[in-house]
Amino acid sequence: ETGVTQTPRHLVMGMTNKKSLKCEQHLGHNAMYWYKQSAKKPLELMFVYNFKEQTENNSVPSRFSPECPNSSHLFLHLHTLQPEDSALYLCASSPLGQGETSPLHFGNGTRLTVT
Amino acid sequence: AQSVTQLGSHVSVSEGALVLLRCNYSSSVPPYLFWYVQYPNQGLQLLLKYTSAATLVKGINGFEAEFKKSETSFHLTKPSAHMSDAAEYFCAVREPNFGNEKLTFGTGTRLTIIP
Repeated sequence: ETGVTQTPRHLVMGMTNKKSLKCEQHLGHNAMYWYKQSAKKPLELMFVYNFKEQTENNSVPSRFSPECPNSSHLFLHLHTLQPEDSALYLCASSPLGQGETSPLHFGNGTRLTVT
Repeated sequence: AQSVTQLGSHVSVSEGALVLLRCNYSSSVPPYLFWYVQYPNQGLQLLLKYTSAATLVKGINGFEAEFKKSETSFHLTKPSAHMSDAAEYFCAVREPNFGNEKLTFGTGTRLTIIP
């Protein structure tokens, strides 16, 4: 149990589908993140939310739409994806107010396959 | 700008042998450094972190890393490899005062343990 739960663990979707990834953290953290992990590439930061407010959008295409209704939940809405979007999507959280030394806590990820 | 380089995308060691995973960083100021481990089908888990206190940092599962400013390195070591150490290892760097979201990861090193 990591304290950060992601659902579903696996998702296969067509390019015309609309789906959502869900992340929930039980650690009392105030910052939440979406990362994309593709083979042979560094982890790519996609979005950051601090206290429910989006503070970072790392040039992510609009077919990815994040939502953070409260500090414990984070969603990633997907629509009209491309095959190159297939990857492991990782959610993470961290406490705010403890400076840059606080590590990220990751969920187990959602393995997304776009057909 | 901060960056991190992990030399060797794949490392194989025999069970009981020394584990050495290399990480070199680039940063305009003394950074904070992290090592994460990712087991198959899981998210990333923090192994250890350097935050400008002791240069030799001990982490979980018998791993340790030494910060060497003159070499801009933060190599990860373990005296005796165990089969359960087989995983992918990521080095990450964060420059102070850039906020929680500015964590840059390396491309990872996959560690294989030979029985």
